[in-house]
Amino acid sequence: ETGVTQTPRHLVMGMTNKKSLKCEQHLGHNAMYWYKQSAKKPLELMFVYNFKEQTENNSVPSRFSPECPNSSHLFLHLHTLQPEDSALYLCASSQETSGRVNEQYFGPGTRLTVT
Amino acid sequence: RKEVEQDPGPFNVPEGATVAFNCTYSNSASQSFFWYRQDCRKEPKLLMSVYSSGNEDGRFTAQLNRASQYISLLIRDSKLSDSATYLCVVNLFSGSARQLTFGSGTQLTVLP
Repeated sequence: ETGVTQTPRHLVMGMTNKKSLKCEQHLGHNAMYWYKQSAKKPLELMFVYNFKEQTENNSVPSRFSPECPNSSHLFLHLHTLQPEDSALYLCASSQETSGRVNEQYFGPGTRLTVT
Repeated sequence: RKEVEQDPGPFNVPEGATVAFNCTYSNSASQSFFWYRQDCRKEPKLLMSVYSSGNEDGRFTAQLNRASQYISLLIRDSKLSDSATYLCVVNLFSGSARQLTFGSGTQLTVLP
């Protein structure tokens, strides 16, 4: 499936590195999301963008910096991460309409390991 | 009380069995409900939306009980390929229309 793509699929980085995760959706949706999934924990919503505007930031540390240049692309810039940030980072998109929350479609994720 | 609560399982059932999962949610104003499945080390994939009147998709049936604030998923004639973690997903905040909250998931293993 190529609806939502993410790169890279795997990333190992040191605590002093800077890296970026990329997400692209080919579904014509108007909203995009970043989630974090740690082992044995439910998905945690990090950021929401609707029509390129950030509408949610769920108390995410500033070492995570999102960027949404257009409605099809979403980035997550990483710097000075901690080992506890190791997780699966999932991007999702949806078509938002007034009055209803619609289903979200996920990319394959980036498995991040911070050493 | 957790916002979205599921029995983590694991549920180990033989092929051909019927299995049911329940999920409770905390906010009575919730309007959107979904079941997703997640295979090991893969992304969640939408299984089905849950409608007020209940809905069926092949071997899968979803029900919503607003009065008791729970949703259910019934799988009939289980297949080996149904082995996965099933995630209950709810829109908890009617004022924050884009936020979905995911349960921790119920693990299902279908045994040959």
